[in-house]
Amino acid sequence: ELKVEQNPLFLSMQEGKNYTIYCNYSTTSDRLYWYRQDPGKSLESLFVLLSNGAVKQEGRLMASLDTKARLSTLHITAAVHDLSATYFCAVDGDSNYQLIWGAGTKLIIKP
Amino acid sequence: NAGVTQTPKFQVLKTGQSMTLQCAQDMNHEYMSWYRQDPGMGLRLIHYSVGAGITDQGEVPNGYNVSRSTTEDFPLRLLSAAPSQTSVYFCASSRDRVGSGYTFGSGTRLTVV
Repeated sequence: ELKVEQNPLFLSMQEGKNYTIYCNYSTTSDRLYWYRQDPGKSLESLFVLLSNGAVKQEGRLMASLDTKARLSTLHITAAVHDLSATYFCAVDGDSNYQLIWGAGTKLIIKP
Repeated sequence: NAGVTQTPKFQVLKTGQSMTLQCAQDMNHEYMSWYRQDPGMGLRLIHYSVGAGITDQGEVPNGYNVSRSTTEDFPLRLLSAAPSQTSVYFCASSRDRVGSGYTFGSGTRLTVV
């Protein structure tokens, strides 16, 4: 059974700092997705990672995928308040289910 | 360009009542899914469809039915609401199986009392 674990689940940080959110998964997969959710809102697709070693960047966010380690990271550089949100990773487990989701990382960035 | 449209946005039901959550997309996506989101648990797949006339169960299908008579519409029916179905429900669609990522609707916040 595919399981997806994110850590930390909660992160409070100051503006200008760097930090990394980790997404570990339990079985082989080479497709991983990162989404952002603002409070009370829907989910917005951030990154689609489709192969080992994939790295994608958008503004202050960079995501990478290591399929051998079954690990993806979401790195935040010089955080700004607008990045405060909950970030989810999701993995395609190639089963009857389409995506298995992590529990989410609630990120609060203080001005 | 509306994307994925869900209605209603909020709903309160009494235990035992039935209702249908509507979902429509205008992007000609083949893949559509229904998820529920509960605090601290991420999203869990209820049902999904890979095209008109084809549906299948996800991780937590009990108490829900779906149908896909057209590419655009994918309604979710609660047969007899229970308090355990209190949740936020999201409909999502994708152009292909999973490679392009999903577009999500705005969600339906359902409370069963």
